[in-house]
Amino acid sequence: NAGVTQTPKFRILKIGQSMTLQCTQDMNHNYMYWYRQDPGMGLKLIYYSVGAGITDKGEVPNGYNVSRSTTEDFPLRLELAAPSQTSVYFCASSYPRDKNQPQHFGDGTRLSIL
Amino acid sequence: GDSVTQMEGPVTLSEEAFLTINCTYTATGYPSLFWYVQYPGEGLQLLLKATKADDKGSNKGFEATYRKETTSFHLEKGSVQVSDSAVYFCALSTPSGSARQLTFGSGTQLTVLP
Repeated sequence: NAGVTQTPKFRILKIGQSMTLQCTQDMNHNYMYWYRQDPGMGLKLIYYSVGAGITDKGEVPNGYNVSRSTTEDFPLRLELAAPSQTSVYFCASSYPRDKNQPQHFGDGTRLSIL
Repeated sequence: GDSVTQMEGPVTLSEEAFLTINCTYTATGYPSLFWYVQYPGEGLQLLLKATKADDKGSNKGFEATYRKETTSFHLEKGSVQVSDSAVYFCALSTPSGSARQLTFGSGTQLTVLP
C-alpha cells in the first residue's frame, strides 16, 4: 500500500525562488493536512483540507498556499522562499467520520532555503 | 489554546531498561490522546491512542493511560530494545473548524544502547 506519498524528498532553494511540494494519498481520505517540523519542535499545522475544493488555514499559514482539486492530491506552494521556511514538511491524511482515526503521514520533504 | 508538554530529551537507555516518557496536556473539552513514533528518515506513525478517561492504549509493548485528573498520558515500556530508538511525540486531537486538529508536543529522542 502506498499510503501518503510526498515528493521530492529533498530540495535546496535560493531565497525568492518558488516551488510546489507534492502530496498524494490513495486511501480515499477526505481530510488532508500539511505540517512543518522544525528542529527540536513538534509539528505545526500549516493548512488543511476537508475535501476537494475546501481548504483552511492552520497555525502557521503565512508564506504558503494550497489547493485541493481532487481527493487524492494536496500540493503546498511556496511563492517566495525565505530562510525561515527551512524545515521538514509532512503531509498527512485521515478519515473524517471517526474523531479517533489517526492521521497517516508521508515520509516528509526536507527543504533548505539558502 | 490547547497544548502538549513532553519530557525533555534526549533519553539514553541500555537495552532491557524501563522507559517512561512524561506527557501532560491542556485542552478544552474532551480530547483524544495519541503517541506517535518517528524513525530516522521516516514520517510519523501512530504507536497507540486513548479516547476517553482511564482508557489504556497499548502496542508493541508500549502502554499509556489517559489520566484526566492529572491531565497526563505518560508512555511506558518495561524492557526497551535497540529497535525502539526513535523520536516519540505525544499529541492530542480536538475539533478545529470543520476538521480535527492534532496538537503535538516537541518530541523526545530515545536512544537505546546494546
